[in-house]
Amino acid sequence: QVQLVESGGGVVQPGRSLRPSCAASGFTFSNYAMHWVRQAPGKGLEWVAVISYDGSNKYYADSVKGRFTISRDNSKNTLYLQMNSLRAEDMAVYYCARDSTIFGVASYFDYWGQGTLVTVSS
Amino acid sequence: DIQMTQSPSTLSASVGDRVTITCRASQNIDGWLAWYQQKPGKAPNLLIYKASTLESGVPSRFSGSGSGTEFTLTINSLQPDDFATYYCQHYYGSSRTFGQGTKVEI
Repeated sequence: QVQLVESGGGVVQPGRSLRPSCAASGFTFSNYAMHWVRQAPGKGLEWVAVISYDGSNKYYADSVKGRFTISRDNSKNTLYLQMNSLRAEDMAVYYCARDSTIFGVASYFDYWGQGTLVTVSS
Repeated sequence: DIQMTQSPSTLSASVGDRVTITCRASQNIDGWLAWYQQKPGKAPNLLIYKASTLESGVPSRFSGSGSGTEFTLTINSLQPDDFATYYCQHYYGSSRTFGQGTKVEI
C-alpha cells in the first residue's frame, strides 16, 4: 500500500535552516508529482510547493518563494524540502502528499503522510 | 491568487442529519475542486475530486456538486465517524488553495 513517511522536523531558531524529508513506498515514486503542505498549530491547510515526477518543474507558494526549495531523489524514493531563513510563521506540521498526476498541474492530493513538526523558536 | 471561502466555519449536527458545506472560489475554477476530511492529529483524507467524483473507498453518503465558483459537500445521514473538519481545495493551474475549513461537531 502507499506509504509516505516524513522525518527531519524539529526545533530550529529563526533565520536558520532545516531539511525535512519524505520516504515513499508502495508505488512507483518516479511516476508521480509530489507536494509539501503545511498546517500551523490550530490552523488550516496551506499548500507549500510541488515538484513534477522528474524534478524538472517546481512551483511554490508566495509565502515561501525564494526561501524554500523542493527536490526529490527518485533513486531513493525520497522527497525533500530545504527550508532556509526560517520565520516564526513557518512553524507547522509539514505533510508530504502524492499528486494524482505526473506533472502536478491541475491535480489533487490522493495520499498524505502523517507529517513532521517544525518548530521555529529562539 | 484564487481565494477559497467555506461556510459555515463550524456546524453542529446530530447523527443521522443531512449536512451541507459550501465552498466559494474567488474566480471560475470550472470543476477543479477537491474535498478532504481531517480528524484531530491525523493527515487529511481525500473524499471527492473534480467537484463530484467520489474517491474509491469513500462511503456513498458523501457527495459533491457545483462548478465555476460555487460548490457543496453534502453528507447524508451523518455517522459518528464523520465528525471532523472538512476542507475544500482548488487545483486550477499550478497553485493550490484550501478553504479555511468547516468543523462538523456534535
